[in-house]
Order: sequence, then structure tokens, then C-alpha cells
Amino acid sequence: DAMVIQNPRYQVTQFGKPVTLSCSQTLNHNVMYWYQQKSSQAPKLLFHYYDKDFNNEADTPDNFQSRRPNTSFCFLDIRSPGLGDAAMYLCATSSSKETQYFGPGTRLLVL
Amino acid sequence: DQQVKQNSPSLSVQEGRISILNCDYTNSMFDYFLWYKKYPAEGPTFLISISSIKDKNEDGRFTVFLNKSAKHLSLHIVPSQPGDSAVYFCAASANTGFQKLVFGTGTRLLVSP
Repeated sequence: DAMVIQNPRYQVTQFGKPVTLSCSQTLNHNVMYWYQQKSSQAPKLLFHYYDKDFNNEADTPDNFQSRRPNTSFCFLDIRSPGLGDAAMYLCATSSSKETQYFGPGTRLLVL
Repeated sequence: DQQVKQNSPSLSVQEGRISILNCDYTNSMFDYFLWYKKYPAEGPTFLISISSIKDKNEDGRFTVFLNKSAKHLSLHIVPSQPGDSAVYFCAASANTGFQKLVFGTGTRLLVSP
């Protein structure tokens, strides 16, 4: 089945220790998105890739970076996680302006 | 500034009855609206959408109504089933080159047998 896969599902890291979250898709969509969702809050867009073009939201902290080595994979790098970065991180894909399809998310815990 | 608002954090409905989930928005540039359903430990799943050129879209038990003048949309589920119990997110996007979604905070629906 075509899908969006996120690994790991749960990630524990230490304060200040870099961490990378992974997303892959078999939908061959050209747009990939990363959202952050904190408890009882709306998912918040961090950035997206339109093909190879990276688009950062204005209020996304510099601590968050992303890489998209090919169409199928996209990574979220948190350079120095703080306690406030503990959240669910959702990856989504779409074909240009079409509906976004989400992965199951990675829950990040910062100790 | 929350551009998409779901003012009811939770809703309880009996099986077989109608569930009505509401969503308000403030940005008049939004022209496309979606509802997503989310089960615990899963990502949001697309449910139904509506373009601003329409005022109603129906898909099986799910109907979305859009009132542009009031900047309000609602999702009706008829009849409600226990499997519908989940968090429902309203989302909106404007006419950009990609689908930038602005989400509401969600409404937790509980359908009891």
C-alpha cells in the first residue's frame, strides 16, 4: 500500500543532543511537509519541500533543519533539542495543491 | 492569532444520532477547507473537503457545510458510530502554490453505544 512512513515512532533524546527524525513516502508526491504538534494544540507547519525547494515558515526556530535527499525521503534535524521541543512531529506529503496525507508521527521526548 | 478555531474541545453523542462539529475561521483568503480525523498514536487521516465555490459536500455519512459570509463550516456525521470516536481537526488553506494548511485545535468526539 502506498503510504507515509515515519521512523522512529518514539524518540527519546537528551537536552542539547542532536536528533534526526525520518520520513519516507511511496506516493511519489512532490511536496513533503513537517509539522509540530504539542499536546491539545493544532499541528503547526515548520517547513515544506516543493520538489527540491526548501520553504521555511517565518516563525520556525533555527534549531530546526530539514533535508530531502530524494523524492521519497525527508529528514527533520533538531540541532540542540530543548525541553520545549518535546512534541509529536508529523510528516505529510501531497501532490502540489492536492490533499495532504500524513504519517503516524514521531513522539519526541527530551530529558 | 488563531486563524482557524474549533471552540468545542469535546463532544459526546449517542450511537445513531447526528454529530455536528463546528469550525470558524478569520482569514477571508482561505478558499479550501478540510476535515481530518485522528485516532490516538496515528497521524491525521483525510476525511472530506470543500472548496469555497461550494456550500455543501457529501460523502456517505459525512457532510461538510460552508457558510462563507459567517466564515463558518461544520461537519455532520449521520448516523454516528462508535468507530467515529476520534479527534477531528478542521483545516484551511489559501490559494498558494502548495497546500499550506492552517489547523484548528481539534474536537474530541466520543460516540457511545
